[in-house]
Amino acid sequence: DQQVKQNSPSLSVQEGRISILNCDYTNSMFDYFLWYKKYPAEGPTFLISISSIKDKNEDGRFTVFLNKSAKHLSLHIVPSQPGDSAVYFCAASAWVGDMRFGAGTRLTVKP
Amino acid sequence: GAGVSQSPRYKVAKRGQDVALRCDPISGHVSLFWYQQALGQGPEFLTYFQNEAQLDKSGLPSDRFFAERPEGSVSTLKIQRTQQEDSAVYLCASSLQGAPEEQFFGPGTRLTVL
Repeated sequence: DQQVKQNSPSLSVQEGRISILNCDYTNSMFDYFLWYKKYPAEGPTFLISISSIKDKNEDGRFTVFLNKSAKHLSLHIVPSQPGDSAVYFCAASAWVGDMRFGAGTRLTVKP
Repeated sequence: GAGVSQSPRYKVAKRGQDVALRCDPISGHVSLFWYQQALGQGPEFLTYFQNEAQLDKSGLPSDRFFAERPEGSVSTLKIQRTQQEDSAVYLCASSLQGAPEEQFFGPGTRLTVL
């Protein structure tokens, strides 16, 4: 069963605009959420995380929002840059070792 | 220091062959994870080690899959009698402690079973 879902396989935005990537989860036991970025032929690279006690975490151009009641999180990238073009994975964890990933969203930032 | 390394980067096996995939985690990292990533999907958890102890192997798809980390550092994922459905990228990740936290991934081994 897919406990973490990224319903948009792809997203295209113009350079300088905001990119919003969405993620939904079903397991209410998840209490730690992460976003990873992946380039071709490389492993995923950690981007930003948020624990369930917060509803927002910001790191430079990247902000993650968590809505626990809706079991929804989103990643905002502002402003988007061509180098941000990659596949973004949402992940959630209830305890160490049990990290579940979504299927990923391919972001393309056009110059 | 170096990141997580995996070898080989690519492996082609004939159906029925045994394969061994190696992972060198970041030095000092307690936790080590193996994932399987099929084309177009996210990584799927296979197994987890804390030091040399395999604490969870619930994600291993069959008894043909076996993982070890005998000295709490390097880990090997072995697949016996490979099948075509085993074709995937196998990712290894490590993390510093034993708590939910960011995991550092290696580049993966792409296994193709013919």
